[in-house]
Amino acid sequence: SQQGEEDPQALSIQEGENATMNCSYKTSINNLQWYRQNSGRGLVHLILIRSNEREKHSGRLRVTLDTSKKSSSLLITASRAADTASYFCASSNAGKSTFGDGTTLTVKP
Amino acid sequence: ETGVTQSPTHLIKTRGQQVTLRCSSQSGHNTVSWYQQALGQGPQFIFQYYREEENGRGNFPPRFSGLQFPNYSSELNVNALELDDSALYLCASSFVTGGSGYTFGSGTRLTVV
Repeated sequence: SQQGEEDPQALSIQEGENATMNCSYKTSINNLQWYRQNSGRGLVHLILIRSNEREKHSGRLRVTLDTSKKSSSLLITASRAADTASYFCASSNAGKSTFGDGTTLTVKP
Repeated sequence: ETGVTQSPTHLIKTRGQQVTLRCSSQSGHNTVSWYQQALGQGPQFIFQYYREEENGRGNFPPRFSGLQFPNYSSELNVNALELDDSALYLCASSFVTGGSGYTFGSGTRLTVV
C-alpha cells in the first residue's frame, strides 16, 4: 500500500484563488517532496522540506510539515490556469521515496 | 546539463513477452529509481540502483529486474508480461540518497495486449 495519501483527491478553483493540498504519511521520514505531473507525463520536482523544517517557500508555493502528525500541506497562491495538473507528495526515508495517489487540481480561467 | 531520458516513449507488447526499458540519468547523478504508475494512481516504487547494485526494492515480483551501467544509465526488464503490467514506467535519477529530490524522465507508456 502507498505510504502517503493526498487530500482532497480532486480540487477545482477559479484563477486567482489559493489551492491547498494535504498529505499524510505513515513512517518516519528524512524529507518530504512535492511533485507536479501534467497529463501522464514525467513528474516535476517542486519543493523539498527536510524533517527538521516546519515551513518552506518557493515563489507561489508554501509547504508546511508537521512530523508529530505525519502530515504536510502544499499551498499554491494566486493560482493560474497553467497550474492545472496532478500534485503528489513523496515521503523519503533512507533514500527511497514513496508517493501518494495525488490531488488533481483544476484551475478555471 | 541534460535531464533524464527514457526510451522508448510508447510500446505495445503481447502477454507473455519480455520488454526492456531504458533510462539515461541526469549528468552528475549516480542513483536511478524506477517507478510504475497505473492510470489514476501515484507512482509505485519498483527498485533503486546505486553504483550498479540494487539498493532497495518495492513489492514487485522477480520478473521485474534491472541493471545499472558504469555511466549510471539503467535498464528495466520485465519478463512474462501480464495485462496488469500496462502502465507508465518512470525513471528518476538523483545524487546519492535523493536528498535534493529526484529528476524524472517523461516515462515509457507500456501497453500489454
